[in-house]
This record gives sequence, C-alpha cells and structure tokens, in this order.
Amino acid sequence: QKEVEQDPGPLSVPEGAIVSLNCTYSNSAFQYFMWYRQYSRKGPELLMYTYSSGNKEDGRFTAQVDKSSKYISLFIRDSQPSDSATYLCAMSVGGSNYKLTFGKGTLLTVNP
Amino acid sequence: DADVTQTPRNRITKTGKRIMLECSQTKGHDRMYWYRQDPGLGLRLIYYSFDVKDINKGEISDGYSVSRQAQAKFSLSLESAIPNQTALYFCATSDPLAGTRTQYFGPGTRLTVL
Repeated sequence: QKEVEQDPGPLSVPEGAIVSLNCTYSNSAFQYFMWYRQYSRKGPELLMYTYSSGNKEDGRFTAQVDKSSKYISLFIRDSQPSDSATYLCAMSVGGSNYKLTFGKGTLLTVNP
Repeated sequence: DADVTQTPRNRITKTGKRIMLECSQTKGHDRMYWYRQDPGLGLRLIYYSFDVKDINKGEISDGYSVSRQAQAKFSLSLESAIPNQTALYFCATSDPLAGTRTQYFGPGTRLTVL
C-alpha cells in the first residue's frame, strides 16, 4: 500500500460546480497536511496548509482533515476555469523531519 | 522577482553527458530539496540539504549528486545522463523556523536525455 493515495482523475466539471478532491494515507504519524496547485509547465504552489485534524477555509477553498479515517479533502466552491490545474496533496510527520510525502496529483479541468 | 529560481529551464542533452542543474533562492531558507516529477509517478525526492554541511539522500539518489555551495544555492548533477532521467526537475526550499512543513518550489527544469 502506498503511503499516500490520490485519484489521478482526470476530473472535468462545469464552471460554478463544487469540486471535491481527496487523498487517503496509511501513516498515522502524519500531522501536517498541504494542498498544492500546479499549473501546466509550472512548479507546485502552496494552496492550503492544515495542522492535525479539522477544517480550514480560504475564500473558495476549504481543506478538511480526518485523522481518524486517514482522509483529507480539498473543496473548491464556485469553480472557475482558472482553477484548471493538477492538485497535489502532501503530508509530513512531526519532529525534525521536514520531508513531504506527495500524492500523485489529480488533474482538474473546469469548463466554461 | 521569483523567490526560487532554476537554471536552465529547458535542456536537451545526449546519453553519457554530464549535466548540472542550478537552484538559487532569496527566501533565506536553510533547507533545500531536489525532486523529479514523472507522469504517473508524482514527485520523488532525490536529495535534500538542511544546511551547507548537511546533505542527505532521498528515495531516488542513484545517478545523481548534489552540491550546496551556499545557503542560497543548491546544484544537482547528473554525472552521466541516461534516457530514463528525462523528467521535470524541481528545487524547493523550506524554513524550519516557520513551524510548518511547507515547501516552496521553483519553476522547474525540463530535461530531455536522448
């Protein structure tokens, strides 16, 4: 079993739809959870960061972490064509180890 | 100006050639990382450095070497390039004092080995 599983998609939705992106993980030591957005031919950019369990909202984006289920989600409300990108989840354990374990990414297309 | 820069942005080379990819950052972060990204395989860590004197292998270091010339500069070398090293390469930085684990990525180098 991979440490982090992410459905690669592709996911295609109409403009204005609510998008749900998900990752599951197996390592219960993960405490730090991130979502990165990567546009074609660009580097990943940090979108959302969450420590431990709970929800975090930033504009149209909401990140959820359920440590009991080892499941994290990113919701995009009122999706826009500019949201079309690959979304990568990433996780890290605590302590002095700063390495990130990435999901393989989900390719999202929002159609006008 | 970008906080993390990579040169070159694109490179085509031949099997057996030595290649160096360079990364510079102005974020003042101590920690730097090199990843490669392949379709279907995601991002994989090649090497990481916690400071100038601390360099560590990642999950796929074979065939690669690195040099941390200064806090702001971290170079990746392919001593004898082979076609399966064709990939997108990213440099990243992180700040251990920030209390998070977030990493900040450069724009990437697209390397093709013929």
